[in-house]
Amino acid sequence: EDQVTQSPEALRLQEGESSSLNCSYTVSGLRGLFWYRQDPGKGPEFLFTLYSAGEEKEKERLKATLTKKESFLHITAPKPEDSATYLCAVQTSWGKLQFGAGTQVVVTP
Amino acid sequence: DVKVTQSSRYLVKRTGEKVFLECVQDMDHENMFWYRQDPGLGLRLIYFSYDVKMKEKGDIPEGYSVSREKKERFSLILESASTNQTSMYLCASMVASRYEQYFGPGTRLTVT
Repeated sequence: EDQVTQSPEALRLQEGESSSLNCSYTVSGLRGLFWYRQDPGKGPEFLFTLYSAGEEKEKERLKATLTKKESFLHITAPKPEDSATYLCAVQTSWGKLQFGAGTQVVVTP
Repeated sequence: DVKVTQSSRYLVKRTGEKVFLECVQDMDHENMFWYRQDPGLGLRLIYFSYDVKMKEKGDIPEGYSVSREKKERFSLILESASTNQTSMYLCASMVASRYEQYFGPGTRLTVT
């Protein structure tokens, strides 16, 4: 059965304290792994797509990496505005995404 | 930029009412999706559509139906709203070549 597990569930960081979020997956034939950011009461905002092991994508303080079994979202020198829930999803069959439960990140000044 | 809009941010309905949630995208995407998001359960796919008048059931279609009469518009219908359909409803539109889904702002539906 396809599964996506994110850890930790919650992360509290001081401003400037870098950290990583984990997304491990079990899926028969990965067609894409996606990272989203979601602010409270809003829809998920697309961040990155990764298609194959070894691939990396960067955007400002965020960097996503992919191996054959997991993906990491690294947050470098975070700021309070990086506080959000980060969602990972894998494409299990055409167009269908399996989402993880998310990691809630709080960055304090 | 992809823009996905949803007809209401907040909606309060009574049990038994028929509810329409509308979603519009401006990027000429063929593929559109409806999800619901609940604490502890994450995002779950209700229905999706890969073309006008085409629809496919997702993981939790019971109690819902959809309509896609025009390419840019995808509607979710609750035939007879029940309290267990109180949730955040999210619409998404997909870039088919990259499988990237872009979400609308969501509709927080409360059924009393």
